[in-house]
Amino acid sequence: DTGVSQDPRHKITKRGQNVTFRCDPISEHNRLYWYRQTLGQGPEFLTYFQNEAQLEKSRLLSDRFSAERPKGSFSTLEIQRTEQGDSAMYLCASSPWPVAGIPTDTQYFGPGTRLTVL
Amino acid sequence: AQTVTQSQPEMSVQEAETVTLSCTYDTSESDYYLFWYKQPPSRQMILVIRQEAYKQQNATENRFSVNFQKAAKSFSLKISDSQLGDAAMYFCAYRIKAAGNKLTFGGGTRVLVKP
Repeated sequence: DTGVSQDPRHKITKRGQNVTFRCDPISEHNRLYWYRQTLGQGPEFLTYFQNEAQLEKSRLLSDRFSAERPKGSFSTLEIQRTEQGDSAMYLCASSPWPVAGIPTDTQYFGPGTRLTVL
Repeated sequence: AQTVTQSQPEMSVQEAETVTLSCTYDTSESDYYLFWYKQPPSRQMILVIRQEAYKQQNATENRFSVNFQKAAKSFSLKISDSQLGDAAMYFCAYRIKAAGNKLTFGGGTRVLVKP
C-alpha cells in the first residue's frame, strides 16, 4: 500500500534547535498539505502545495517555519529555533488533481510526526 | 472567523448499538464540502464520509450516515451497529470551494465502544 508516509515518526529536540520533517505523498497526487495537531485538538492548516508551488500559507506559519516541495513530489517542513509551543503532531496529507465527475478533493493523511521540544 | 464546533468531547456506545455525533459549523459561503474523519489511537486519519453542500440527499457509507441540515449549519454523523473497531476520535471538517483546499476541523469527539 503506497499511502502517505512521513519521516521521522517521532522527534525529540531541545529548545532552540532546528528540525526538519519529510512527507512523501501518494504517487501522482499533485496536491500536498501540512497540518499541525496539538493534544486533544483537531488539526490546523499550515500550508498547501500544488505541484512545487506553495499556494497558501496560514498565519500559524511563522517566519521560523518553512516548507518546500522542490520537485513537486516529496515535501519538507523545517522549524528553526524550536520553542516548547511547537510541540505537536505534524500531519501531511495529499490529494489528486481534480477530474470532472470524480470527487478528488478527499485528502489522504499520513501517520504524522510527533515533535516534542524540551 | 469560520469555525467547526463538536460539542460532545466523548461519547460511549454499546457494541451493536447506534451513536450520533453532532457537528455545527459557521460559514457565510454556500458552496462547500463537509467531511467526517476518523483517527484511531496512534493511527492515521482516514475519511469516513463526505457531503457536498449543494446535495440535499444525505450521504451514507455502509454503517455510517449523516444528517445534513444546511439552513441550521448542522452535519451530524450516525454510526449504526457499532463495532469495537469504531473506537476512535472523530473529526468533523469542511472545505470552502472558493477558499482554496484547506480543511477546517472541529475539536473532535472521542467514541468509546463497550463490548
